[in-house]
Amino acid sequence: KAGVTQTPRYLIKTRGQQVTLSCSPISGHRSVSWYQQTPGQGLQFLFEYFSETQRNKGNFPGRFSGRQFSNSRSEMNVSTLELGDSALYLCASSSRGGNEQFFGPGTRLTVL
Amino acid sequence: AQTVTQSQPEMSVQEAETVTLSCTYDTSENNYYLFWYKQPPSRQMILVIRQEAYKQQNATENRFSVNFQKAAKSFSLKISDSQLGDTAMYFCAFMKHSGLASGTYKYIFGTGTRLKVLA
Repeated sequence: KAGVTQTPRYLIKTRGQQVTLSCSPISGHRSVSWYQQTPGQGLQFLFEYFSETQRNKGNFPGRFSGRQFSNSRSEMNVSTLELGDSALYLCASSSRGGNEQFFGPGTRLTVL
Repeated sequence: AQTVTQSQPEMSVQEAETVTLSCTYDTSENNYYLFWYKQPPSRQMILVIRQEAYKQQNATENRFSVNFQKAAKSFSLKISDSQLGDTAMYFCAFMKHSGLASGTYKYIFGTGTRLKVLA
């Protein structure tokens, strides 16, 4: 079974631009969560989607948004990028009833 | 609100020795899960071990074991016979049990402990 995939793996953007990151969960997994990982801050929860609905949301500004499609693939969008948005963005999927999250390799975003 | 604290930003251990990583958490929940995840350099995060709060017995996975002290809200990870491949960031994480019923999940992660195994 293929693991969680994330595209692109690396991105370089400039301040003020917007970016869209994509995540394909493990086949059969309907829950997708997004995290921002920065040195010293660990993993900060962004949001979680289940069956195309956002079920949980972390404490991030409205510039961060996401969505989930009927095939469980998820996208995360960040608008008006700031230097502080530079981070590794991780996606994780889970099956309903399962308590383990399976992580993707992440997308490393650099904002210049 | 739940919090997870890892007070050791960095640790090192000699190959074949034993090391313990600490984690404390704060919650008013009675049923929950605790996890240790491992993130090797430039590689994907993987689950090391999990513990259900209602189980008194400490979880064990080969060389990895936990010391779960529910009353103290402590969840430490012991790595025995450390190997070079154990070099990684280790994250402690908490999840409410109620998340399973709703099919939704919200993990709370600690800030991580960077472990280096020395040859």
